Amino acid sequence: AQSVAQPEDQVNVAEGNPLTVKCTYSVSGNPYLFWYVQYPNRGLQFLLKYITGDNLVKGSYGFEAEFNKSQTSFHLKKPSALVSDSALYFCAVRDGVSSYKLIFGSGTRLLVRP
Amino acid sequence: EAGVAQSPRYKIIEKRQSVAFWCNPISGHATLYWYQQILGQGPKLLIQFQNNGVVDDSQLPKDRFSAERLKGVDSTLKIQPAKLEDSAVYLCASSLDQAGADTQYFGPGTRLTVL
Repeated sequence: AQSVAQPEDQVNVAEGNPLTVKCTYSVSGNPYLFWYVQYPNRGLQFLLKYITGDNLVKGSYGFEAEFNKSQTSFHLKKPSALVSDSALYFCAVRDGVSSYKLIFGSGTRLLVRP
Repeated sequence: EAGVAQSPRYKIIEKRQSVAFWCNPISGHATLYWYQQILGQGPKLLIQFQNNGVVDDSQLPKDRFSAERLKGVDSTLKIQPAKLEDSAVYLCASSLDQAGADTQYFGPGTRLTVL
């Protein structure tokens, strides 16, 4: 069965510093991987996805994510954090072979302090 | 391009009452999803439609939840009767099709509080 783990409930970083939000996954086939962001009282907003090809995926608002097949990871990164990046981040995975269902992690709250 | 629309945004009801949520997907999107997001958790798929047919409703509590997507566009999700544990945000999403690579786009959600 497919699954996603976000090991950190919260990540704290100072504005201007690089940030990393971790995600690991488990699927039986080839993974389709997604990152979403959720601001208070808002729905989920799509940031980026990995389908195939280049392991470094660039997305919205300066975010990028690195797919690592050997470590089954898809960490979200940004070189310089902004206070406005503070939000809840969700990693999600879909098994490209056995299921169309998108499975979400439990979320990581990012807090960027001024 | 207009996004996924949902209404109402907030709803407060008492247990054993009924409630309905409405969703209008992005124009041209064949696939529509309803998710339940309990506070502190990631969204959980309740039901997936492909046009007006159900693809997956394995996690829908069918004794109290029902959903339909007439004419393959708008959709409604109903809960009858509601329980305290149904308090959650109900998210609607749509995608161009149900292929694995297709991105799901989410609406703002309906926050349901059951007292």
